[in-house]
Amino acid sequence: DAGVIQSPRHEVTEMGQEVTLRCKPISGHNSLFWYRQTMMRGLELLIYFNNNVPIDDSGMPEDRFSAKMPNASFSTLKIQPSEPRDSAVYFCASSLAIERVYGYTFGSGTRLTVV
Amino acid sequence: AQTVTQSQPEMSVQEAETVTLSCTYDTSENNYYLFWYKQPPSRQMILVIRQEAYKQQNATENRFSVNFQKAAKSFSLKISDSQLGDTAMYFCAFMATYSGAGSYQLTFGKGTKLSVIP
Repeated sequence: DAGVIQSPRHEVTEMGQEVTLRCKPISGHNSLFWYRQTMMRGLELLIYFNNNVPIDDSGMPEDRFSAKMPNASFSTLKIQPSEPRDSAVYFCASSLAIERVYGYTFGSGTRLTVV
Repeated sequence: AQTVTQSQPEMSVQEAETVTLSCTYDTSENNYYLFWYKQPPSRQMILVIRQEAYKQQNATENRFSVNFQKAAKSFSLKISDSQLGDTAMYFCAFMATYSGAGSYQLTFGKGTKLSVIP
């Protein structure tokens, strides 16, 4: 298996622009997680899905952030409009729900820079 | 809410020596799991080792072992025979398994940057 695939690996955008981050979970996994990593706050859970349904989005910082999972093999995290404080590494992770206690498999992350 | 604390922002160790990374956590739950993840410069998050709270026996994976002290809510990682490839950020993480909101989520500490010196 190719693992969790995220794209793009790097993204540089101007303040006010829309940014879309993409994630393809491991085939067969039915739990998907979006995390944000910053120096100040570390790794924070933004949202997670079970069977394509958002279960907990309490970590989404504000209305500028939205996440979707239209099918079992694809998820997006969108920021509109983007701000410099959104600069961070965004990770996607997936798991088989019944195997969550064994930990998640993470993608390589997208480094977002908003200038 | 659960919290995870890693009190050592940075550590260094000589190649082939042993190093221990500290982690403490706070929870009122009785059923949970603990993890150590490694993040090398490539940025990939790699699971190193996990511990089930209901097991008294400490987990071991090759050169990596943990010292799990449930009463003290402590979960340290010992790396034996350190290698240059062990240079990375190490994150301690907690997962509670109650039913309800917040369950089965990984909560991470801020990390410890480990440098292995040749």
